[in-house]
Amino acid sequence: KAGVTQTPRYLIKTRGQQVTLSCSPISGHRSVSWYQQTPGQGLQFLFEYFSETQRNKGNFPGRFSGRQFSNSRSEMNVSTLELGDSALYLCASSLLAGENEQFFGPGTRLTVL
Amino acid sequence: AQTVTQSQPEMSVQEAETVTLSCTYDTSESDYYLFWYKQPPSRQMILVIRQEAYKQQNATENRFSVNFQKAAKSFSLKISDSQLGDAAMYFCAYSNSGYALNFGKGTSLLVTP
Repeated sequence: KAGVTQTPRYLIKTRGQQVTLSCSPISGHRSVSWYQQTPGQGLQFLFEYFSETQRNKGNFPGRFSGRQFSNSRSEMNVSTLELGDSALYLCASSLLAGENEQFFGPGTRLTVL
Repeated sequence: AQTVTQSQPEMSVQEAETVTLSCTYDTSESDYYLFWYKQPPSRQMILVIRQEAYKQQNATENRFSVNFQKAAKSFSLKISDSQLGDAAMYFCAYSNSGYALNFGKGTSLLVTP
């Protein structure tokens, strides 16, 4: 069974631009969570989607948004990029909402110049 | 809010030796889950071991075991017979049933021949 996949793996953007990251969960998994990983703040929860609905949201500004499609694939969008948005964005999937065992993808490395 | 503290930014161990990584957490909940995740350099995060708070017995997975002290809110990871492949960042994480993972800052483990 294929693991969690994330595209693209690397991305370079400039301040003020917007970016969309994609995550495909493990087949059969219906919950997708997003995390931001930076050297300073560590791993921080962004949001969780289940059945196309946002179930939980972390403490991030409204520039960070996401959605989930009927096939459970998820996208997250960051608008008006700032230098501080440079990070590794990790996606994790689980079978059901609120499942504690999450399986992580390789991440998308976003660099904002 | 729950916090997870890993007081050892870096640890070193020789091959075949045993090392213990520390983790403490703060919560007022009685039902929760604790995890140790491993993130090798440039590779994706994988779950090493998990512990349900209601279980008194410490979890064990092959060479990995935990020492869960609920009253002290302590959750340490012991790696026995360390191998070169164990070198990675190790993250302790907490989850209140049904909610997002809350990670510590991580411990970088170096394994020397």
